[in-house]
Amino acid sequence: QSALTQPPSASGSPGQSVTISCTGTSSDVGGHNLVSWYQQHPGKAPELMIYEVSKRPSGVPDRFSGSKSGNTASLTVSGLQAEDEANYYCSSFAGSSIWVFGGGTKLTVL
Amino acid sequence: QVQLVQSGAEVKKPGASVKVSCKTSGFTFTGSYFHWVRQAPGQGLEWMGIIRSRGDMTYAQGFQGRVSMTRDSSTRTVYMQLSSLRSEDTAVYYCVRDAGHWDFGHWGQGTLVTVSS
Repeated sequence: QSALTQPPSASGSPGQSVTISCTGTSSDVGGHNLVSWYQQHPGKAPELMIYEVSKRPSGVPDRFSGSKSGNTASLTVSGLQAEDEANYYCSSFAGSSIWVFGGGTKLTVL
Repeated sequence: QVQLVQSGAEVKKPGASVKVSCKTSGFTFTGSYFHWVRQAPGQGLEWMGIIRSRGDMTYAQGFQGRVSMTRDSSTRTVYMQLSSLRSEDTAVYYCVRDAGHWDFGHWGQGTLVTVSS
């Protein structure tokens, strides 16, 4: 099972919006509405930000939103804040009780 | 609240095995699914496998034959054992609970396993 494809880096100024893509195949991202997104600050464990493509766990700001079109999922962070600077990973169920992660995107707030 | 507390850092020699534990609290253990995910230094996340509520497992293809995941309901603890260690297995290993949405909802603090001669 191959990793999902994410851009290695993304950036934006405070207050702007940034979108991070996550491209897979019809076996994973395109085949299931089970894409999730994780935020990881240096030295910390990842934290769930989005599940089932576009749902937010309680406590996650509504500045974070998710969507999917075909084999590509996206995470949008609106109204960028300094604390949003982190690594972001997507993940998808890939069928047959298998999960796969993306390679990660480093988000820099300029 | 949900807590997953993992065992401490380990240093192992190539060819050895390591067993990482993950003690849980704050939720119904018997109905929960657990994943193991690892992260090599400076690298991304890698899914290793899942142990479901009835104790059946699915492992990622790259770990089959070397990894074993078990669970003990009496102590609310999940275990991951990795054998035939090599230097490329040096990583932080995370225990993760599925929050009920086929996701990685709750994470342990991670356990650093260093493989070095």
